[in-house]
Amino acid sequence: GAVVSQHPSRVICKSGTSVKIECRSLDFQATTMFWYRQFPKQSLMLMATSNEGSKATYEQGVEKDKFLINHASLTLSTLTVTSAHPEDSSFYICSASTGVDQPQHFGDGTRLSIL
Amino acid sequence: RKEVEQDPGPFNVPEGATVAFNCTYSNSASQSFFWYRQDCRKEPKLLMSVYSSGNEDGRFTAQLNRASQYISLLIRDSKLSDSATYLCVGGTGGGNKLTFGTGTQLKVEL
Repeated sequence: GAVVSQHPSRVICKSGTSVKIECRSLDFQATTMFWYRQFPKQSLMLMATSNEGSKATYEQGVEKDKFLINHASLTLSTLTVTSAHPEDSSFYICSASTGVDQPQHFGDGTRLSIL
Repeated sequence: RKEVEQDPGPFNVPEGATVAFNCTYSNSASQSFFWYRQDCRKEPKLLMSVYSSGNEDGRFTAQLNRASQYISLLIRDSKLSDSATYLCVGGTGGGNKLTFGTGTQLKVEL
């Protein structure tokens, strides 16, 4: 149980393109979803926390207009990287949780490469 | 100073060896702690939670020292399949907000 699916797993696109990444909880209802980013040889950094039906809470230094998060249902959250540039190339990972004090279940990540 | 600090390694050990990883955290508000395992270019997977009383899961033993703000992971009888990066993680906000260390790389060799 507790499967989180992330799609796509790999994206390569040109600079200036907007990219949407989906995160789905397949067998549970996720009241909270998290978006992380991991640059090579660095730790996972939390970008934002989203609760179903409300606006996401962004971490300091993460531009909310650049990284649009939508959590419209208890099983789906999306992250849109708008007008992506090479410096946005990274490994983006989502996780989902049923609530406070509950473990986070991670998706298998999306490797984004902007040319 | 990073909020969660780990020795990046790599630790190269022979199969069957016992290996220990350490981690320190600076946020005294951290309430929960975990060890995650991350294979190359994959998502992290929860290995075990860490409790003050110490906890064991098969070949893996985790320990938390709140006074020293120190966490450890001991792996006994290392297997080739244990080769991965081990991430020390602190949780705040009811454990919901996770702060990851950069990880310690383990390579188990024949």
